[in-house]
Amino acid sequence: NAGVTQTPKFQVLKTGQSMTLQCAQDMNHNSMYWYRQDPGMGLRLIYYSASEGTTDKGEVPNGYNVSRLNKREFSLRLESAAPSQTSVYFCASKRTRQNDEQYFGPGTRLTVT
Amino acid sequence: DQQVKQNSPSLSVQEGRISILNCDYTNSMFDYFLWYKKYPAEGPTFLISISSIKDKNEDGRFTVFLNKSAKHLSLHIVPSQPGDSAVYFCAAGDNQGGKLIFGQGTELSVKP
Repeated sequence: NAGVTQTPKFQVLKTGQSMTLQCAQDMNHNSMYWYRQDPGMGLRLIYYSASEGTTDKGEVPNGYNVSRLNKREFSLRLESAAPSQTSVYFCASKRTRQNDEQYFGPGTRLTVT
Repeated sequence: DQQVKQNSPSLSVQEGRISILNCDYTNSMFDYFLWYKKYPAEGPTFLISISSIKDKNEDGRFTVFLNKSAKHLSLHIVPSQPGDSAVYFCAAGDNQGGKLIFGQGTELSVKP
C-alpha cells in the first residue's frame, strides 16, 4: 500500500515549456487535491476533484489545468511554465468530500528558469 | 485575504517542556480543524483534528484546543521531544468539497 505517489520528484523547466505532474493514490479515496507550497505562504490549493468526474478551482488556479483520469489518478498540467510557478507541488487525497484528513504525497520540486 | 493565520514563523523549546503553537482564523463557516506536521523533503502528515462542536481533543502528547468565540486554536505538545522538530501547519475546512485552507506554518525546534 503505497498511499499517494507523485512523479517526478524533481523537474527543471525553461520558461514557456509545458509539463504534467502525475499523482496516483491506492487508498480508494474519492477526493483528490493539488497544492503548491511557497516560503511564508503555507500550502495553497490549486485545483481539486471532490469526486471522479468533477474538478474545481482552488485559491490559485491560474496557469494550471487538471485532469481526473480515473478514481486513482489526478494530474496537474502547466501549459506554458513561468518562473512564478517555481514551487513544491503536493498532491493529496481523502476518503470522502466530508470533513476528514487528507493524505499527502512526497511532493514534486519544480524550478522554472 | 489570509483566512487562516499562524503568526509565529518559528518557535524554539527545550526538550521536556511544553510547546504551544497557535492559529487564528477569520471564516466562521469553518467547522473542522486539523494540524499537520512536515519534515523537510517530505509531504505533510496528519497529526490531530477537532470538530467545531468540541473545544478539546487529545491524542497522547498532543492536545488541540479550540476557542470558537475567539476564532483561535492551539496545539500543545507535552513533553516536547527533539523528534518533534518540524514545520507545523494548521488547516481549516467548511465541509465544501473537502477543501482545506492552510496557515503559513510554524517551524518548531526542540533543543536537547
